[in-house]
Amino acid sequence: VVMTQSPVSLPVTLGQPASISCRSSQSLLSSDGNTYLNWFQQRPGQSPRRLIYKVSNWDSGVPDRFSGSGSGTDFTLKISRVEAEDVGVYYCMQGTHWPYTFGQGTKLEIK
Amino acid sequence: EVQLVESGGGLVEPGGSLRLSCAASGFTFSNYVMHWVRQAPGKGLEYVSGINGNGDDTYYIESVRGRSTISRDNSKNTVYLQMSSLRVEDTAVYYCVKKDTGTYLDWGQGTQVTVSS
Repeated sequence: VVMTQSPVSLPVTLGQPASISCRSSQSLLSSDGNTYLNWFQQRPGQSPRRLIYKVSNWDSGVPDRFSGSGSGTDFTLKISRVEAEDVGVYYCMQGTHWPYTFGQGTKLEIK
Repeated sequence: EVQLVESGGGLVEPGGSLRLSCAASGFTFSNYVMHWVRQAPGKGLEYVSGINGNGDDTYYIESVRGRSTISRDNSKNTVYLQMSSLRVEDTAVYYCVKKDTGTYLDWGQGTQVTVSS
């Protein structure tokens, strides 16, 4: 399954919202009724950190300015007000079809 | 707390070999499929190989199949990736990852593999 993110680069002013799109080449609705779409943040020099799982569920410690939405093949990660610590690369990943696959990443930077 | 600690990376010439290790703690290791995911310099994330809980089922992406062997020692809570006939394009940070249903939550810090003459 091919995961396609846009944009590739995302310059944002501090305090402004940001949005990242992720599209899959096949529906991510699993036969068990779940949609295994995840979002990861990778800060410079760090391992990826999961932010969101099953489309819209926050991981522990993730600020509520992050939100995930979508269904089927179209998904979105939104940041309501970008902060300096949000700089990094964001990846979507599907876990419905084998093998798991990642989007190419969206680099968020402060304008 | 889940911990995954990789080791074994380094600089190797094309055609050489390396064995990566990942020591796990904080969970019942034998109950989980373990994966290796890599990230080439300035690039995205790519699943490389996986192994089921008792080690009798393994998976590889096409580009490493035949050159790599994944294994595990549940008595040592460790998963390995033996890589041979290494190519320049294998240069990457290799992450050990614990597979959960439909997701990866826990990642190691990564180990750098550089293939260069």
